[in-house]
Amino acid sequence: DQQVKQNSPSLSVQEGRISILNCDYTNSMFDYFLWYKKYPAEGPTFLISISSIKDKNEDGRFTVFLNKSAKHLSLHIVPSQPGDSAVYFCAAKALYNTDKLIFGTGTRLQVFP
Amino acid sequence: ETGVTQTPRHLVMGMTNKKSLKCEQHLGHNAMYWYKQSAKKPLELMFVYSLEERVENNSVPSRFSPECPNSSHLFLHLHTLQPEDSALYLCASSQDGTGVTDTQYFGPGTRLTVL
Repeated sequence: DQQVKQNSPSLSVQEGRISILNCDYTNSMFDYFLWYKKYPAEGPTFLISISSIKDKNEDGRFTVFLNKSAKHLSLHIVPSQPGDSAVYFCAAKALYNTDKLIFGTGTRLQVFP
Repeated sequence: ETGVTQTPRHLVMGMTNKKSLKCEQHLGHNAMYWYKQSAKKPLELMFVYSLEERVENNSVPSRFSPECPNSSHLFLHLHTLQPEDSALYLCASSQDGTGVTDTQYFGPGTRLTVL
């Protein structure tokens, strides 16, 4: 039973436009959410995170939104650039199990010129 | 070297071989992790070490044997693996493994193929 779900395996966006990557979770005990980016032949790189007490966190072109009632988070990239083409993983952890990150299956983003 | 490094990057082994994966972190962290990523599946946590003590073993078969000699190094010893163990094995480290905001940083992974 997957606790973190990324239902879109791929997304294609034109350069300069907004990319929106979605993530749903089932465990209401999750307190902290992270997004990782992964290029081919590299490990996942931490991108941005959000605590459950917030509904938005912004870092440059990247913004993560959290809707706790819907158990949904999204990552917005504005404006999208070709270098953003990668696989994006959503991950979550609970306060009672802080060393255990639960990952989604990832969404492959392709930004084309 | 900076960050988290892993060697080898690629490994092909037979089912009767014994091999080891190595991970080294240069971040001054106290917690280290092994993850497995199989095709079309999410990353699965295998082992967690905090201050060189194993704190989590996520129901991993005994043919995978971790070793953490110090807070900078982590090994995964492999023996009598099965073809279904073929996957990307990722190492990660974090400051101390406690606290919900403790962020994990990953190495590039070892792509393992078991014939």
